[in-house]
Amino acid sequence: ETGVTQSPTHLIKTRGQQVTLRCSSQSGHNTVSWYQQALGQGPQFIFQYYREEENGRGNFPPRFSGLQFPNYSSELNVNALELDDSALYLCASSRDSSHGYTFGSGTRLTVV
Amino acid sequence: KNEVEQSPQNLTAQEGEFITINCSYSVGISALHWLQQHPGGGIVSLFMLSSGKKKHGRLIATINIQEKHSSLHITASHPRDSAVYICAVRDSNSGYALNFGKGTSLLVTP
Repeated sequence: ETGVTQSPTHLIKTRGQQVTLRCSSQSGHNTVSWYQQALGQGPQFIFQYYREEENGRGNFPPRFSGLQFPNYSSELNVNALELDDSALYLCASSRDSSHGYTFGSGTRLTVV
Repeated sequence: KNEVEQSPQNLTAQEGEFITINCSYSVGISALHWLQQHPGGGIVSLFMLSSGKKKHGRLIATINIQEKHSSLHITASHPRDSAVYICAVRDSNSGYALNFGKGTSLLVTP
């Protein structure tokens, strides 16, 4: 098993900029979900992709968007960054809803 | 109000002690997860439960669906168990997202 790999591990951006975070899913996992974890809080669901289609979305504005590729790797894009977007961004992959999740180590984004 | 509540928020124990972390939730669920998060962020999935009890090494997880409550127990705790333990549920209505508790920060001292 290859596990879930996220890149970069750390990132500093300026308010108003755009950022792309990447996630390489575990082999055989066709479902990927993204979470935002603010300091001292539990992760909050951003959205989920299944076979390249978004099939669920949390309470995040449209400037948070994503893609899933045929090899099941995925991207999280955030436009017009705000200071409150500073957080740890986690992706998690799963074979299907009856199985557990494998989480990546996260990307820590700081917006200044 | 968060749909998933954990207690305690912080816990300090001496090596060897038996530890219990509690999780209560307010929605119907299709599954409950216990996760471990170390400093730096990486999350490890410990258990996925929909009923009953599961055991893995020194870790035991139980769930009572009627009472909407789950517990994570650690027997013979060790300093390497120090981490944040997070309870997360999959709402049976949404089918997608995990709703997370805020976590319990555990410190086991030698």
